[in-house]
Amino acid sequence: ETGVTQTPRHLVMGMTNKKSLKCEQHLGHNAMYWYKQSAKKPLELMFVYNFKEQTENNSVPSRFSPECPNSSHLFLHLHTLQPEDSALYLCASSQVRLAGPSTDTQYFGPGTRLTVL
Amino acid sequence: GQQLNQSPQSMFIQEGEDVSMNCTSSSIFNTWLWYKQDPGEGPVLLIALYKAGELTSNGRLTAQFGITRKDSFLNISASIPSDVGIYFCAGQLKTSYDKVIFGPGTSLSVIP
Repeated sequence: ETGVTQTPRHLVMGMTNKKSLKCEQHLGHNAMYWYKQSAKKPLELMFVYNFKEQTENNSVPSRFSPECPNSSHLFLHLHTLQPEDSALYLCASSQVRLAGPSTDTQYFGPGTRLTVL
Repeated sequence: GQQLNQSPQSMFIQEGEDVSMNCTSSSIFNTWLWYKQDPGEGPVLLIALYKAGELTSNGRLTAQFGITRKDSFLNISASIPSDVGIYFCAGQLKTSYDKVIFGPGTSLSVIP
């Protein structure tokens, strides 16, 4: 399945490093999402972009900075992270309707396993 | 805030057995989604349900959208070892941004 790709698949970084996660969707969707998945916790929605505009930021610390240059690409810039930020970061995309009942379904990438030392 | 509950939390079954798991909430949802996640991978969509009462199958998997719109179940028939993984339900609330809420997951282990 190559609908949604994420790079890198694994990342180890120190607390003073700056790194970026990349997501690309090949499904022609107009919305993209960042989720955080920690052990034994439900998926946590971090950011939502509809038509390249950020529409949701679920109280995410400023050390996480999203960027959506176009409807196919989504980045998550990381800076001065903490060890508790270690998790699987998942990107998803969907096709959101402007009006009427929504049947939007999200498709996920394989994730980036992030370890903060 | 809205919350989804999944039960059971984990299951250990013999290969060939049927499996049933469900998802409940106090909120009303417009869409129910069932995903499976293998270790180290992202969730993969199994079944999407869009109408109350809808019953949909995908191979050995069958899922139903509860009449109350507050619950859904997933059945797997004749389980095989590759069914092992975590099964997540997700409900889509009726908001302008199509917010999706995920359950905590049901971990399935299949004993050959």
